[in-house]
Amino acid sequence: EIVLTQSPGTLSLSPGERATLSCRASQSVSNSYLAWYQQKSGQAPSLLIYGASSRDTGIPDRFSGSGSGTDFTLTISRLEPEDFAVYYCQQFGSSPPTFGQGTKVEIK
Amino acid sequence: QVQLQESGPGLVKPSETLSLTCSVSGGSINSYYWSWIRQSAGKGLEWIGRIYMSGSTNYNPSLKSRVTMSVDTSKNQFSLKLRSVTAADTAIYYCARDGTYCSSSNICYKYFDYWGQGAQVTVSS
Repeated sequence: EIVLTQSPGTLSLSPGERATLSCRASQSVSNSYLAWYQQKSGQAPSLLIYGASSRDTGIPDRFSGSGSGTDFTLTISRLEPEDFAVYYCQQFGSSPPTFGQGTKVEIK
Repeated sequence: QVQLQESGPGLVKPSETLSLTCSVSGGSINSYYWSWIRQSAGKGLEWIGRIYMSGSTNYNPSLKSRVTMSVDTSKNQFSLKLRSVTAADTAIYYCARDGTYCSSSNICYKYFDYWGQGAQVTVSS
């Protein structure tokens, strides 16, 4: 199975700062099948980005995704208070679908 | 707006069978795959398997020997059974829809677009 490794484990930033989250795959993943999710405390994950770079409906444009092959990035251009959460990458290109272990974005 | 809701016992004894049902509202269960995903402190988010309206299934090889999924299209529900549970199966269990979107240039995307709120299941005697 494809292992997704996210870094860093925790990102301590202030509102207004830029967040850069990394997701590295153990094998190449088609861009079409790489997604990012946000999980707030006590809630289910929710879809942010699909196809590595396409925002889901209603997702603000401060969220952007990029990358290809084995290296993918989620960028939050200016952190809002509601963005402090855990973020997961996930691949659908090879069965079983797998998730990264998550990056927690916390308030500094 | 599609909504999913998990239901089932929150406490299961070791060696017994965990049973959960996911009820889908606001849309038909037809024409999509539906997945079960669990989240535990030890293993993070783990995909358990998926089922189609026809009853066709795919399971995670790590759990395949203990998992059975079924679907009831008349009730817009699908279900999970996990046999011979141990403490390692303690987790929050989510049901989710396997979303697919194909663009005009025939590029198809896959993702989990709708999730239930999750059901905490604890395995303990």
